[in-house]
Amino acid sequence: KAGVTQTPRYLIKTRGQQVTLSCSPISGHRSVSWYQQTPGQGLQFLFEYFSETQRNKGNFPGRFSGRQFSNSRSEMNVSTLELGDSALYLCASSLGTEHQETQYFGPGTRLLVL
Amino acid sequence: DAKTTQPTSMDCAEGRAANLPCNHSTISGNEYVYWYRQIHSQGPQYIIHGLKNNETNEMASLIITEDRKSSTLILPHATLRDTAVYYCIVRVATGTASKLTFGTGTRLQVTL
Repeated sequence: KAGVTQTPRYLIKTRGQQVTLSCSPISGHRSVSWYQQTPGQGLQFLFEYFSETQRNKGNFPGRFSGRQFSNSRSEMNVSTLELGDSALYLCASSLGTEHQETQYFGPGTRLLVL
Repeated sequence: DAKTTQPTSMDCAEGRAANLPCNHSTISGNEYVYWYRQIHSQGPQYIIHGLKNNETNEMASLIITEDRKSSTLILPHATLRDTAVYYCIVRVATGTASKLTFGTGTRLQVTL
């Protein structure tokens, strides 16, 4: 079974721009979670989507948003990019049902903001 | 979710068992212990999880103390490819609380 895939793998943007990252979960998984990893803050939870609805949200500003499509694929968007948004963005998928919440991570998208 | 404490770093000789400890003294009865590892800037890799019984899979064994306040991840025959940051996470596995709270983890260095 194919794993979680994320596109693009690398991205360079400038301050003020916006960016959209994509995540395709493992087949059959309905929950997709997004995380940000930086050297200073470590791995931090952004939000989780299940059946096209945001089910859980971390402590990030409104510039960070996401959505999920009917095929469970998910996108996250960051508007008005700041230098501090440079990070590895990770997507994880799980079945999303109670007692089946083991999350499997994709390889990540590395975003550099100049 | 309960907070975990792990050593910052550990060394292990290749071929020997690597025993990675984790303290989670405030764990609740409905919280599982999960272990992930992250190999240099790749996505975290799921290793194993358990509630109160010891668990074993093809990657590792998880030993949870009877009072559930600590656990040990065992890699039985460490190889150079096991060099990574290992994260111990406790989380509720019921309901819809899917968030994983990562700490700083243990950096395991496997050497020849």
